[in-house]
Amino acid sequence: GAGVSQSPSNKVTEKGKDVELRCDPISGHTALYWYRQRLGQGLEFLIYFQGNSAPDKSGLPSDRFSAERTGESVSTLTIQRTQQEDSAVYLCASSLGASGGYNEQFFGPGTRLTVL
Amino acid sequence: AQTVTQSQPEMSVQEAETVTLSCTYDTSENNYYLFWYKQPPSRQMILVIRQEAYKQQNATENRFSVNFQKAAKSFSLKISDSQLGDTAMYFCAASFGTSYGKLTFGQGTILTVHP
Repeated sequence: GAGVSQSPSNKVTEKGKDVELRCDPISGHTALYWYRQRLGQGLEFLIYFQGNSAPDKSGLPSDRFSAERTGESVSTLTIQRTQQEDSAVYLCASSLGASGGYNEQFFGPGTRLTVL
Repeated sequence: AQTVTQSQPEMSVQEAETVTLSCTYDTSENNYYLFWYKQPPSRQMILVIRQEAYKQQNATENRFSVNFQKAAKSFSLKISDSQLGDTAMYFCAASFGTSYGKLTFGQGTILTVHP
């Protein structure tokens, strides 16, 4: 079956522009996570969805970042008025449920965002 | 604070030899899961091995095994019979307590396997 897919694979934008990053989780996975990976660093948690609601948004760096999920499927991460420090790889993961690590998270290939 | 720390930015090993990657963590939770992920240049994160904190027996997956020392909050990964395809960034990660499964990652260790 298909894994987690993300689009676009790469995105180059100018400072101040808005960007939308898309994640298509594995079918039937109710939990969805967004992470950010800065160059040469580990992943930082951004937001978690259970179904279409987001019980934990604690990792979003600022109010320029928002995310939504519809139909318990696709999720979109939006960054408004992009800044150079937003340059990173944004990774999405999904799992059958969110049982504190019991269910494996499957990762997508990520979107590399470059803000000029 | 709940943290995961990897103190080895880079490691190298000869093909067919054994290498150990280190990881320590800090939490006040009693129940948690620990993971090692592999990230090759393709960026695709792959789960290598998982350990449940309440299980005393160390997890093993083929050539990969862990040394889980709960009291010391240490979780190292041993790769036996290293292969060229093991070359990648390795991340230690944890899901602590009631954190809905969100993962806290270490900084990563770049492993290079030499022929």
